[in-house]
Amino acid sequence: AQSVTQLGSHVSVSEGALVLLRCNYSSSVPPYLFWYVQYPNQGLQLLLKYTTGATLVKGINGFEAEFKKSETSFHLTKPSAHMSDAAEYFCAVSPMNTGFQKLVFGTGTRLLVSP
Amino acid sequence: EPEVTQTPSHQVTQMGQEVILRCVPISNHLYFYWYRQILGQKVEFLVSFYNNEISEKSEIFDDQFSVERPDGSNFTLKIRSTKLEDSAMYFCASSESGGNTGELFFGEGSRLTVL
Repeated sequence: AQSVTQLGSHVSVSEGALVLLRCNYSSSVPPYLFWYVQYPNQGLQLLLKYTTGATLVKGINGFEAEFKKSETSFHLTKPSAHMSDAAEYFCAVSPMNTGFQKLVFGTGTRLLVSP
Repeated sequence: EPEVTQTPSHQVTQMGQEVILRCVPISNHLYFYWYRQILGQKVEFLVSFYNNEISEKSEIFDDQFSVERPDGSNFTLKIRSTKLEDSAMYFCASSESGGNTGELFFGEGSRLTVL
């Protein structure tokens, strides 16, 4: 069975500061890992994904995440926060042997960006 | 940019009533999904649908739930006799391909409130 833990339901940063959103996963088989973002009144949008290959994955809007198997982590980072990054961020896992269909999500982290 | 659209955005219903949530997936997509998020909890997989039949469903998706693709554009989720615990945000998603290559595109969600 797969599960995802996102530490911190809310993270507050100042504009220009580093963004770090934490995600740890549990999976009995090699996982595919995802970060989705949800802006107010919008659907979930894929930020980035790890499938195989390079463990540092770059996504849209300057975000990146690193798959660390030894730590079972897939933390999301951005060097400099913008006001427009304020949103809810969801980490998700899917077992490699079933593909993308059946995503298991974390509870989400709301990112607040102050001027 | 193509998007998944959902209606209604918010529906309030009495316990025991039937509810139909509608989704228009992206036009060239072949795989369709419903997920839900109870307030404060994780986004959960409900069901996936391909080639006019359910390909996978979760334990949440019991006999009270059904899905249908009544025409070439709509994908619906029906709850036959709603319960208080069905109150949630329901997300529709679609993907061009399934398995290990299909990126999910989500709609904005339909909020269901059962009184």
